[in-house]
Amino acid sequence: EAGVTQSPTHLIKTRGQQVTLRCSPISGHTSVYWYQQALGLGLQFLLWYDEGEERNRGNFPPRFSGRQFPNYSSELNVNALELEDSALYLCASSLESGQGAAGELFFGEGSRLTVL
Amino acid sequence: AQKVTQAQTEISVVEKEDVTLDCVYETRDTTYYLFWYKQPPSGELVFLIRRNSFDEQNEISGRYSWNFQKSTSSFNFTITASQVVDSAVYFCALKTGRRALTFGSGTRLQVQP
Repeated sequence: EAGVTQSPTHLIKTRGQQVTLRCSPISGHTSVYWYQQALGLGLQFLLWYDEGEERNRGNFPPRFSGRQFPNYSSELNVNALELEDSALYLCASSLESGQGAAGELFFGEGSRLTVL
Repeated sequence: AQKVTQAQTEISVVEKEDVTLDCVYETRDTTYYLFWYKQPPSGELVFLIRRNSFDEQNEISGRYSWNFQKSTSSFNFTITASQVVDSAVYFCALKTGRRALTFGSGTRLQVQP
């Protein structure tokens, strides 16, 4: 069974540009999560999508946005890139999404974004 | 609010030593889940264990063991007879209600041969 897949694996952008990162969850998983991991820092929660709806959002500016498609894949968009957006962006999927669900996440290998 | 604290930023041990990674959490919810993940140099986080707030029974899986103590809000992880392949960043995480997982800042473990 295929795991969570993310693309691209690496990319380089310049300040002010826009980027789109993609994520395909494990088959049957309806929830997709996005996390940012800046160098030397922990994982900061960005966005959570379930059944096509945004369920929760972390403390990030509006230029970070995304969506989930009917096939449960997801995109993360970052507009007006800044140097501090350089990070590993991790996508995770989960089977359980209801109130009180255990929420075990399965992670992809990430997309490493460098902003120059 | 919920919070996870991993006070140990980096630990270095010699192979075959035992090592304990500390995790302290904060939440007002009575129902919650605690997790440990391993992040090897490749970057992909690997799930190690999940524990719910009603199950304080310690767990052992091979060389890994976990000690959950609600009285001290701690969920510590011990690796017995460490190996070089255990070198990674280890994250403790907390989930409550419909919130996403909250991760600690991670502990980098280096096991020297």
